[in-house]
Amino acid sequence: GAVVSQHPSRVICKSGTSVKIECRSLDFQATTMFWYRQFPKKSLMLMATSNEGSKATYEQGVEKDKFLINHASLTLSTLTVTSAHPEDSSFYICSARFGTDYGYTFGSGTRLTVV
Amino acid sequence: GQNIDQPTEMTATEGAIVQINCTYQTSGFNGLFWYQQHAGEAPTFLSYNVLDGLEEKGRFSSFLSRSKGYSYLLLKELQMKDSASYLCAALDSNYQLIWGAGTKLIIKP
Repeated sequence: GAVVSQHPSRVICKSGTSVKIECRSLDFQATTMFWYRQFPKKSLMLMATSNEGSKATYEQGVEKDKFLINHASLTLSTLTVTSAHPEDSSFYICSARFGTDYGYTFGSGTRLTVV
Repeated sequence: GQNIDQPTEMTATEGAIVQINCTYQTSGFNGLFWYQQHAGEAPTFLSYNVLDGLEEKGRFSSFLSRSKGYSYLLLKELQMKDSASYLCAALDSNYQLIWGAGTKLIIKP
């Protein structure tokens, strides 16, 4: 149980375009979804926390107008990278908290390459 | 500030035992996680400790000492597939995960 499905797994886009990444909780309701990015050989960096039905909370230094997060339902959260630049190329991972023992489950990640 | 320290890289031999240490400093503490991450993949859950002591789960065990701000992950009977990064993460008073940079474990035959 507690599976988060993340799509796409890989995407290549041109500079200036937008890319949407979806995370769906398949067998539980994710009231809170966390969005991370990870650079090669680096740790996970929390970008934002999204709560169903309310605005996302962004970490310091993360541009909310560039990384649009929508959490419209208890099973779906999306991250849209707008006007992508090569420096946005990274591994993006979503995570949701489930159960009462503070377990976290991760999506499979999205490798974004901006050319 | 909040900080997680773990070694950058470790090397061990197939069939042996390895211990990966993690020290943490967080504002409040609500537990410590260990995750395994293979290259290019998302992390997968290994263990969660909130009370002092050792939790054993098959070949993997995790230990926590809250008074020392210290945890370790013990891997026994190492297999080649255990080559991965191991991430330590502490849950602070706001239930935010504070991540370590990960320990890359290299298994040699």
